[in-house]
Amino acid sequence: DAGVIQSPRHEVTEMGQEVTLRCKPISGHDYLFWYRQTMMRGLELLIYFNNNVPIDDSGMPEDRFSAKMPNASFSTLKIQPSEPRDSAVYFCASSLWGSGGELFFGEGSRLTVL
Amino acid sequence: AQSVTQLGSHVSVSEGALVLLRCNYSSSVPPYLFWYVQYPNQGLQLLLKYTTGATLVKGINGFEAEFKKSETSFHLTKPSAHMSDAAEYFCAVSDRGNTPLVFGKGTRLSVIA
Repeated sequence: DAGVIQSPRHEVTEMGQEVTLRCKPISGHDYLFWYRQTMMRGLELLIYFNNNVPIDDSGMPEDRFSAKMPNASFSTLKIQPSEPRDSAVYFCASSLWGSGGELFFGEGSRLTVL
Repeated sequence: AQSVTQLGSHVSVSEGALVLLRCNYSSSVPPYLFWYVQYPNQGLQLLLKYTTGATLVKGINGFEAEFKKSETSFHLTKPSAHMSDAAEYFCAVSDRGNTPLVFGKGTRLSVIA
């Protein structure tokens, strides 16, 4: 079975540009999570969805960040405008209610903002 | 609110030696506890998890962890380190699986030949 698929794997952009990260969760999973990983702050939860509905976005750092899940098989995380401090690895993960909370992670999108 | 503390950001062991990575948690309700491993340029993979029942949990690649409620700990061990164990290890906690995982800062394990 395919795991969580993220794209792009690497993104280099200039400050002020719009960045869109994409995620396809595991088929049948009803929860989707976006995490950000940095050396300084570790893994931070940005937002999560249940059945395509955002449940908690309190981890989204600023209004420059937005996330959508238009259907059960696709989610986006958008940063507009991007800043150098947004440079990080962004992970998408999915899970199935009743499975004991286990998360299945994608391989991440490494973002570098110059 | 739940939290996780991993003692030691970097642990170095010799090949064949015991691996011990420490994790302490804080939770107001019975926790679900997890250990994940991250190899360079990859996502996180589940090593093992504790939900209910037996407090000694066995995972993949010879790792195991023991849930000790009285010590609020969930330390990860492996009797004999292998070079392929070199990676970043993350401990995480959830409120009985009802809340998103909260991760510790991670411990980087180096294995010396």
